[in-house]
Amino acid sequence: SQTIHQWPATLVQPVGSPLSLECTVEGTSNPNLYWYRQAAGRGLQLLFYSVGIGQISSEVPQNLSASRPQDRQFILSSKKLLLSDSGFYLCAATSAEKLFFGSGTQLSVL
Amino acid sequence: GENVEQHPSTLSVQEGDSAVIKCTYSDSASNYFPWYKQELGKGPQLIIDIRSNVGEKKDQRIAVTLNKTAKHFSLHITETQPEDSAVYFCAASPMGGANNLFFGTGTRLTVIP
Repeated sequence: SQTIHQWPATLVQPVGSPLSLECTVEGTSNPNLYWYRQAAGRGLQLLFYSVGIGQISSEVPQNLSASRPQDRQFILSSKKLLLSDSGFYLCAATSAEKLFFGSGTQLSVL
Repeated sequence: GENVEQHPSTLSVQEGDSAVIKCTYSDSASNYFPWYKQELGKGPQLIIDIRSNVGEKKDQRIAVTLNKTAKHFSLHITETQPEDSAVYFCAASPMGGANNLFFGTGTRLTVIP
């Protein structure tokens, strides 16, 4: 079965600082990979998805970017964080035609 | 594109009672409908899913029903327990499988001991 590793679990960053969140997937090959953001008490907002290495689609114009340097690695980045980037970030991957989520990163931008 | 609406937004039930969460979708091409349970501070966990070729699926205390004609599907939890307390999300996919999922806005279920 697939396992999605996401780290760190929590992160506090000052406004204007850079960001790098990493997600790695085990137990599945050629997954579609996703980054979602969830504001406190809210639903799931799709940020980026990738169907293969180097292939990134953005759903929402914003201060963030994503990269997929390896088949099972997905990275979310920002050069300069904004207060509005605070939220719960979730990596997800498809396996056997189902979508599975990682444990999430709680990002607080102060 | 697909639009998924979920009701109610909050639901409180007594332990042992049943809970029902309903979702409607707009795209008649949608053919895959998963449900996720999210506990506080954790990622959503897939608890059950159904495809459009069946009308009902059960897994112990959890069941999902699908009405393709009316374009709605529901999650049923019987004999609720305090550990069922969480936020539940429904989703629909017009492309089949888990690609291009459209999520509902979530239902916060509280099971009162």
